[in-house]
Amino acid sequence: KQEVTQIPAALSVPEGENLVLNCSFTDSAIYNLQWFRQDPGKGLTSLLLIQSSQREQTSGRLNASLDKSSGRSTLYIAASQPGDSATYLCAVKSNNRDDKIIFGKGTRLHILP
Amino acid sequence: DGGITQSPKYLFRKEGQNVTLSCEQNLNHDAMYWYRQDPGQGLRLIYYSQIVNDFQKGDIAEGYSVSREKKESFPLTVTSAQKNPTAFYLCASRGQGLYSNQPQHFGDGTRLSIL
Repeated sequence: KQEVTQIPAALSVPEGENLVLNCSFTDSAIYNLQWFRQDPGKGLTSLLLIQSSQREQTSGRLNASLDKSSGRSTLYIAASQPGDSATYLCAVKSNNRDDKIIFGKGTRLHILP
Repeated sequence: DGGITQSPKYLFRKEGQNVTLSCEQNLNHDAMYWYRQDPGQGLRLIYYSQIVNDFQKGDIAEGYSVSREKKESFPLTVTSAQKNPTAFYLCASRGQGLYSNQPQHFGDGTRLSIL
């Protein structure tokens, strides 16, 4: 059974720093991995989706990498801003016939002004 | 603008009552999903539907029911059999194809509480 883990559960960093969020998964037979952002009391916003054949995806100050063999993904945020404060979740779609996506519990990020 | 609309934003349920959460999308997506989010638990899948008039149970379907009579709509009923319904409920949709690499899009959620 696929399990997705995100460590740490919470993180505080000063504004302007570069930071890395981690995601690990137990079954390397994945179809894709997605990173989301969730603001308090809101739904999820898709940030980046990495297909299983890809190593990384970039959007603005965000870069997500994928290493299937080690069961790891990272989300790199450059030059962090207070507006980046949110919970970041990763989610994995396994390479099987159902349409389930397994979510990690998220990392709550606080950027200190 | 295209998107997913969930209503109401807040909902209160009395003991023994069934309540229905609405989810409507105008993205022309085939697949729709319902998740439950509890503090510290992450998102758990309740039901999902890949096509009109068809749906499958997720990991925590007991005490819930759904219908998919129209492509745009996927309402979730929380029945009186669900003994711990207090949670944040999220609806999502995704573009065509089981093996599509389309990302999921989410609504803004409904917060359900017991009176």
